[in-house]
Amino acid sequence: EIVMTQSPATLSVSPGERATLSCRASQSVSSNLAWYQQKPGQAPRLLIYGASTRATGIPARFSGSGSGTEFTLTISSLQSEDFAVYYCQQYNDWLTFGGGTKVEIK
Amino acid sequence: QVQLVQSGAEVKKPGASVKVSCKASGYTFTSSTMHWVRQAPGQGLEWMGWINAGNGDTKYSQKFQGRVTVTTDSSASTASMELSSLRCEDTAVYYCARDPYYPTGVWGQGTLVTVSS
Repeated sequence: EIVMTQSPATLSVSPGERATLSCRASQSVSSNLAWYQQKPGQAPRLLIYGASTRATGIPARFSGSGSGTEFTLTISSLQSEDFAVYYCQQYNDWLTFGGGTKVEIK
Repeated sequence: QVQLVQSGAEVKKPGASVKVSCKASGYTFTSSTMHWVRQAPGQGLEWMGWINAGNGDTKYSQKFQGRVTVTTDSSASTASMELSSLRCEDTAVYYCARDPYYPTGVWGQGTLVTVSS
């Protein structure tokens, strides 16, 4: 099973600042990597698939990069609605999720 | 619009089984895969398994192999997930999700399963 490791576990950021979230795979997943946003009491929402392609309706301030084992989700200028938990997920070899990064208000 | 509507909350005793259903609408049910993901209280997301709604092929996470069964009823556009030999640590919100990592992905609203003696 491919293990996905996200860092940091918690990221404290002020509104308007940039947030950089990391995700590492225990073996190569090529570009078969998705990012999700989850808010309390809600189902996850797809942000990025194919490591770098924004899903429908996702604002341009969200961007994904990386391939192989190292991936990054960048939120260029945090808005109030962006404070949430973010998960990466590989779908190269079935599916596994990372443990999540909570983006909180600084 | 594309929608997945899950069955209601369940309370079960340890050792029992639970079956959660997921009714799809707004798309051709057999054209997609359906995944099941769970989330324990305050914890992260955990993938349980997958079914190809077109041909019935399934794949389960090793963690749940032998305890989970995912099925579909194409005539009712419904997928179901049954988890057996329930333990307290199976208390979680269970989600169905159509093709979750594709742009067409849709998630159900979640079903809370509580396992308690």
